[in-house]
Amino acid sequence: AQSVTQLDSQVPVFEEAPVELRCNYSSSVSVYLFWYVQYPNQGLQLLLKYLSGSTLVKGINGFEAEFNKSQTSFHLRKPSVHISDTAEYFCAVIPTGGGNKLTFGTGTQLKVEL
Amino acid sequence: EPEVTQTPSHQVTQMGQEVILRCVPISNHLYFYWYRQILGQKVEFLVSFYNNEISEKSEIFDDQFSVERPDGSNFTLKIRSTKLEDSAMYFCASSYTQSAVEAFFGQGTRLTVV
Repeated sequence: AQSVTQLDSQVPVFEEAPVELRCNYSSSVSVYLFWYVQYPNQGLQLLLKYLSGSTLVKGINGFEAEFNKSQTSFHLRKPSVHISDTAEYFCAVIPTGGGNKLTFGTGTQLKVEL
Repeated sequence: EPEVTQTPSHQVTQMGQEVILRCVPISNHLYFYWYRQILGQKVEFLVSFYNNEISEKSEIFDDQFSVERPDGSNFTLKIRSTKLEDSAMYFCASSYTQSAVEAFFGQGTRLTVV
Protein backbone atom coordinates (compact mmCIF):
# COMPACT_ATOMS: atom_id res chain seq x y z
CA ALA A 1 0.00 0.00 0.00
CA GLN A 2 1.03 3.58 -0.54
CA SER A 3 0.60 6.70 1.56
CA VAL A 4 1.27 10.36 0.85
CA THR A 5 1.99 13.03 3.43
CA GLN A 6 1.65 16.74 2.87
CA LEU A 7 2.70 18.24 6.16
CA ASP A 8 1.65 21.79 5.38
CA SER A 9 -2.09 22.23 5.27
CA GLN A 10 -1.78 25.94 4.48
CA VAL A 11 1.05 27.99 3.03
CA PRO A 12 0.65 31.77 2.90
CA VAL A 13 3.11 33.62 0.69
CA PHE A 14 3.45 37.09 -0.76
CA GLU A 15 3.21 37.62 -4.48
CA GLU A 16 6.52 37.25 -6.36
CA ALA A 17 8.06 35.30 -3.49
CA PRO A 18 9.28 31.73 -4.00
CA VAL A 19 7.31 28.82 -2.61
CA GLU A 20 7.89 25.16 -1.85
CA LEU A 21 5.08 22.73 -1.10
CA ARG A 22 6.28 19.55 0.52
CA CYS A 23 5.28 16.01 -0.31
CA ASN A 24 6.62 12.78 1.12
CA TYR A 25 5.44 9.32 0.27
CA SER A 26 5.71 5.80 1.58
CA SER A 27 5.56 2.75 -0.63
CA SER A 28 6.94 -0.78 -0.72
CA VAL A 29 7.06 -0.61 -4.53
CA SER A 30 8.21 1.96 -7.05
CA VAL A 31 5.72 4.69 -7.78
CA TYR A 32 4.94 7.39 -10.26
CA LEU A 33 4.37 10.79 -8.69
CA PHE A 34 1.96 13.60 -9.48
CA TRP A 35 0.97 17.06 -8.45
CA TYR A 36 -2.59 18.19 -9.07
CA VAL A 37 -4.02 21.67 -8.60
CA GLN A 38 -7.58 22.57 -7.72
CA TYR A 39 -8.54 26.17 -8.31
CA PRO A 40 -11.61 27.49 -6.46
CA ASN A 41 -14.78 25.84 -7.75
CA GLN A 42 -12.89 23.84 -10.33
CA GLY A 43 -11.79 20.24 -10.77
CA LEU A 44 -8.45 18.56 -10.33
CA GLN A 45 -5.96 19.60 -12.98
CA LEU A 46 -2.67 17.81 -13.55
CA LEU A 47 0.22 20.17 -12.84
CA LEU A 48 3.10 17.78 -13.50
CA LYS A 49 4.15 14.16 -13.13
CA TYR A 50 7.28 12.10 -12.69
CA LEU A 51 7.38 8.81 -14.56
CA SER A 52 11.08 8.26 -15.25
CA GLY A 53 14.25 10.02 -16.39
CA SER A 54 15.37 13.37 -15.05
CA THR A 55 14.36 13.82 -11.44
CA LEU A 56 13.55 17.49 -12.05
CA VAL A 57 10.16 17.77 -13.68
CA LYS A 58 8.71 20.93 -15.12
CA GLY A 59 4.99 21.50 -15.26
CA ILE A 60 2.47 24.10 -16.25
CA ASN A 61 2.36 27.65 -14.92
CA GLY A 62 6.07 27.72 -14.05
CA PHE A 63 5.93 24.99 -11.41
CA GLU A 64 8.56 22.30 -11.07
CA ALA A 65 9.13 19.38 -8.74
CA GLU A 66 12.10 17.24 -7.86
CA PHE A 67 11.91 13.54 -7.15
CA ASN A 68 14.26 12.44 -4.41
CA LYS A 69 14.19 8.68 -4.06
CA SER A 70 16.40 8.48 -1.00
CA GLN A 71 14.23 10.94 0.88
CA THR A 72 11.01 9.64 -0.70
CA SER A 73 10.02 13.19 -1.49
CA PHE A 74 8.53 15.07 -4.41
CA HIS A 75 8.45 18.73 -3.39
CA LEU A 76 6.79 21.30 -5.61
CA ARG A 77 8.44 24.67 -6.20
CA LYS A 78 7.87 27.92 -7.98
CA PRO A 79 10.46 30.71 -7.96
CA SER A 80 7.93 33.55 -8.08
CA VAL A 81 4.24 33.08 -7.35
CA HIS A 82 1.34 35.05 -8.69
CA ILE A 83 -1.97 35.82 -7.08
CA SER A 84 -3.59 33.45 -9.58
CA ASP A 85 -1.63 30.53 -8.07
CA THR A 86 -3.93 30.62 -5.06
CA ALA A 87 -5.37 27.11 -5.02
CA GLU A 88 -5.22 23.73 -3.32
CA TYR A 89 -2.36 21.49 -4.38
CA PHE A 90 -2.45 17.71 -4.09
CA CYS A 91 0.41 15.27 -4.30
CA ALA A 92 -0.45 11.75 -5.48
CA VAL A 93 1.24 8.45 -6.32
CA ILE A 94 0.45 5.29 -8.23
CA PRO A 95 2.52 2.06 -8.44
CA THR A 96 4.70 1.77 -11.53
CA GLY A 97 3.67 -1.83 -11.88
CA GLY A 98 0.24 -0.77 -12.93
CA GLY A 99 -2.94 0.08 -11.23
CA ASN A 100 -5.85 2.35 -11.61
CA LYS A 101 -5.94 3.87 -8.17
CA LEU A 102 -4.23 7.14 -7.32
CA THR A 103 -3.34 7.67 -3.66
CA PHE A 104 -3.58 11.32 -2.69
CA GLY A 105 -2.24 13.46 0.12
CA THR A 106 -4.47 15.73 2.17
CA GLY A 107 -3.61 18.77 0.09
CA THR A 108 -1.90 22.09 0.73
CA GLN A 109 -3.80 25.34 0.44
CA LEU A 110 -1.52 27.93 -1.15
CA LYS A 111 -2.67 31.46 -0.48
CA VAL A 112 -0.85 34.18 -2.35
CA GLU A 113 -1.21 37.65 -0.87
CA LEU A 114 -0.41 41.05 -2.30
CA GLU B 1 -9.32 20.34 -25.30
CA PRO B 2 -11.48 17.37 -24.34
CA GLU B 3 -12.72 17.35 -20.78
CA VAL B 4 -14.66 15.31 -18.28
CA THR B 5 -17.95 16.94 -17.40
CA GLN B 6 -19.90 16.39 -14.20
CA THR B 7 -23.45 17.38 -13.33
CA PRO B 8 -24.74 18.86 -11.16
CA SER B 9 -21.98 21.00 -9.68
CA HIS B 10 -23.77 21.05 -6.34
CA GLN B 11 -26.53 18.81 -5.02
CA VAL B 12 -28.33 19.01 -1.72
CA THR B 13 -30.31 15.99 -0.62
CA GLN B 14 -32.10 14.80 2.47
CA MET B 15 -30.71 11.94 4.48
CA GLY B 16 -32.10 8.62 3.30
CA GLN B 17 -32.77 9.82 -0.23
CA GLU B 18 -31.23 8.31 -3.33
CA VAL B 19 -28.90 10.47 -5.37
CA ILE B 20 -27.34 10.01 -8.79
CA LEU B 21 -24.22 11.87 -9.78
CA ARG B 22 -23.55 12.12 -13.46
CA CYS B 23 -20.38 12.26 -15.48
CA VAL B 24 -19.61 12.46 -19.17
CA PRO B 25 -16.10 11.05 -19.69
CA ILE B 26 -13.84 11.92 -22.60
CA SER B 27 -15.33 10.20 -25.62
CA ASN B 28 -12.63 7.68 -26.53
CA HIS B 29 -11.71 6.79 -22.98
CA LEU B 30 -12.29 3.26 -21.76
CA TYR B 31 -11.62 3.40 -18.02
CA PHE B 32 -13.71 5.35 -15.58
CA TYR B 33 -13.27 6.25 -11.95
CA TRP B 34 -14.98 7.89 -9.02
CA TYR B 35 -13.10 9.57 -6.19
CA ARG B 36 -14.42 11.58 -3.29
CA GLN B 37 -13.05 14.20 -0.95
CA ILE B 38 -14.69 14.80 2.40
CA LEU B 39 -14.08 18.39 3.45
CA GLY B 40 -10.60 18.76 4.90
CA GLN B 41 -9.60 15.19 4.11
CA LYS B 42 -7.77 13.33 1.37
CA VAL B 43 -9.10 12.64 -2.06
CA GLU B 44 -10.02 8.94 -1.83
CA PHE B 45 -10.49 6.34 -4.52
CA LEU B 46 -13.96 4.82 -4.65
CA VAL B 47 -14.20 2.64 -7.74
CA SER B 48 -12.86 1.96 -11.20
CA PHE B 49 -14.95 0.67 -14.09
CA TYR B 50 -14.06 -0.94 -17.39
CA ASN B 51 -15.98 -2.89 -19.99
CA ASN B 52 -19.21 -2.47 -18.06
CA GLU B 53 -17.77 -3.98 -14.92
CA ILE B 54 -16.24 -2.76 -11.71
CA SER B 55 -12.53 -3.52 -11.92
CA GLU B 56 -11.59 -2.34 -8.46
CA LYS B 57 -13.36 -0.80 -5.49
CA SER B 58 -12.33 0.53 -2.13
CA GLU B 59 -13.69 -0.33 1.30
CA ILE B 60 -15.74 2.85 1.14
CA PHE B 61 -17.68 1.55 -1.86
CA ASP B 62 -20.20 -0.56 -0.01
CA ASP B 63 -23.63 -1.82 -1.01
CA GLN B 64 -25.07 1.69 -0.82
CA PHE B 65 -23.03 2.66 -3.87
CA SER B 66 -23.36 1.54 -7.45
CA VAL B 67 -22.00 2.66 -10.79
CA GLU B 68 -23.37 2.37 -14.24
CA ARG B 69 -22.69 3.37 -17.80
CA PRO B 70 -26.28 3.43 -18.96
CA ASP B 71 -25.98 4.71 -22.50
CA GLY B 72 -22.38 4.54 -23.67
CA SER B 73 -21.64 8.16 -22.89
CA ASN B 74 -22.67 8.81 -19.29
CA PHE B 75 -21.06 7.29 -16.22
CA THR B 76 -23.12 7.52 -13.06
CA LEU B 77 -22.60 7.02 -9.35
CA LYS B 78 -25.69 6.18 -7.35
CA ILE B 79 -25.96 6.35 -3.59
CA ARG B 80 -29.08 4.48 -2.56
CA SER B 81 -29.79 5.89 0.89
CA THR B 82 -27.61 8.87 1.65
CA LYS B 83 -26.09 9.43 5.06
CA LEU B 84 -24.72 12.63 6.53
CA GLU B 85 -21.20 11.25 6.16
CA ASP B 86 -21.68 10.95 2.40
CA SER B 87 -21.38 14.73 2.17
CA ALA B 88 -18.28 15.29 0.06
CA MET B 89 -16.95 16.43 -3.28
CA TYR B 90 -17.20 13.60 -5.77
CA PHE B 91 -14.80 13.55 -8.70
CA CYS B 92 -15.22 11.55 -11.85
CA ALA B 93 -12.18 10.68 -13.95
CA SER B 94 -11.50 8.79 -17.16
CA SER B 95 -8.50 7.44 -18.99
CA TYR B 96 -7.78 5.72 -22.28
CA THR B 97 -5.35 3.23 -20.77
CA GLN B 98 -5.75 1.04 -17.74
CA SER B 99 -3.33 3.08 -15.72
CA ALA B 100 -4.68 6.15 -13.98
CA VAL B 101 -1.40 7.82 -14.92
CA GLU B 102 -3.26 9.41 -17.80
CA ALA B 103 -6.52 10.08 -16.01
CA PHE B 104 -8.42 13.30 -16.58
CA PHE B 105 -10.64 14.60 -13.79
CA GLY B 106 -13.93 16.44 -13.88
CA GLN B 107 -14.70 19.56 -11.89
CA GLY B 108 -16.52 17.63 -9.19
CA THR B 109 -19.99 17.50 -7.70
CA ARG B 110 -20.40 18.79 -4.20
CA LEU B 111 -22.94 16.61 -2.42
CA THR B 112 -24.47 17.94 0.76
CA VAL B 113 -26.66 15.60 2.79
CA VAL B 114 -28.92 17.35 5.30
